Amino acid sequence: DVKVTQSSRYLVKRTGEKVFLECVQDMDHENMFWYRQDPGLGLRLIYFSYDVKMKEKGDIPEGYSVSREKKERFSLILESASTNQTSMYLCASSSPSGPEAFFGQGTRLTVV
Amino acid sequence: AQSVTQLGSHVSVSEGALVLLRCNYSSSVPPYLFWYVQYPNQGLQLLLKYTTGATLVKGINGFEAEFKKSETSFHLTKPSAHMSDAAEYFCAVPKTSYDKVIFGPGTSLSVIP
Repeated sequence: DVKVTQSSRYLVKRTGEKVFLECVQDMDHENMFWYRQDPGLGLRLIYFSYDVKMKEKGDIPEGYSVSREKKERFSLILESASTNQTSMYLCASSSPSGPEAFFGQGTRLTVV
Repeated sequence: AQSVTQLGSHVSVSEGALVLLRCNYSSSVPPYLFWYVQYPNQGLQLLLKYTTGATLVKGINGFEAEFKKSETSFHLTKPSAHMSDAAEYFCAVPKTSYDKVIFGPGTSLSVIP
């Protein structure tokens, strides 16, 4: 089975902190994604990476950056956390040869 | 650009009743269509997918969906609801290529005993 693992299920951080959310997949997928999920807004794409060191902005990249130094790992960085970044963050991966995305279990981030 | 709408943010059905969750996509025909399910405090799990060929697609847990090009729809159904079906359901389509998928706003399904 494809496994996408996010490093934390729950995180509480303070305003202004630099926050790292880590995601690892074990299926050698080229594509990796970070989504944010909020009630009433569904899933919104923050960043997308289609190869090591390659990235594209999604619909809501402001306040976020990403890093992909190795194929299996995709990190989401909140440079200076703010309360409006309190949300559920979902990582996913896929292969260009197979259209569906496989998701991690999610990280619920609270910024206080 | 593709867009997805799901009619009804909340749907309640009785246990044993038919489940019908609606999904419509924008007019350009997508190469793929998906339904995902999300149980509380979990990530999303693929329920079923349409690629090519048969327009009636069967998925896990007894769910199925039918691709209707003329109606630009991909509604999800299950003949008999079970308590364990209570979850959030998302319809999804590719954006500009199959690498990027956009999701509908989701439908929360409640099953009443």
